[in-house]
Amino acid sequence: GQQVMQIPQYQHVQEGEDFTTYCNSSTTLSNIQWYKQRPGGHPVFLIQLVKSGEVKKQKRLTFQFGEAKKNSSLHITATQTTDVGTYFCAGERNNFNKFYFGSGTKLNVKP
Amino acid sequence: DGGITQSPKYLFRKEGQNVTLSCEQNLNHDAMYWYRQDPGQGLRLIYYSQIVNDFQKGDIAEGYSVSREKKESFPLTVTSAQKNPTAFYLCASNLSGTKLGGNTIYFGEGSWLTVV
Repeated sequence: GQQVMQIPQYQHVQEGEDFTTYCNSSTTLSNIQWYKQRPGGHPVFLIQLVKSGEVKKQKRLTFQFGEAKKNSSLHITATQTTDVGTYFCAGERNNFNKFYFGSGTKLNVKP
Repeated sequence: DGGITQSPKYLFRKEGQNVTLSCEQNLNHDAMYWYRQDPGQGLRLIYYSQIVNDFQKGDIAEGYSVSREKKESFPLTVTSAQKNPTAFYLCASNLSGTKLGGNTIYFGEGSWLTVV
């Protein structure tokens, strides 16, 4: 069954608006990773979160890992057309090196 | 340059045929993975291998087979038993997480398989 749920499935925003995607796991994760897949491309690693309550920033992107290590979010401030793509979370349980990917959130940014 | 090479990029298969997708990596990674991605959907794990000569089924292994005879190679065979094989197939690899950042997953460019 689905191990990691991700919402929303799609998000259409006007350039300059903010965007957030959420991932939720039914079980505690040892870590969570985020990937971006541009249209027609392959997923590319963005970041990994390991610690409970961890927050990391990459320019306009803010990543959070929940206190219970079951949920995570990616927030983009003031979106740009270059942010277009599908964002995936991937959770690892028990450090077994097997990853459960969320279904992805497809972001479209209108100029 | 180091990376993961998948071939072919596009493949057409007739119903009833087996086809094999190639995946080669020169990153010296221990673990390799095959994911299937349907249009507008997420990634589903087909098979994965943590070490040479060993592999495990993922969530949707039925109709697929793999081998891991060499560290750098992890070919995927889509058999005729796979009833709906048209999809985008992604091969990936990582170091197995023993080092900081070691379990970052690197993906190949992908292979598009279409049944005609």
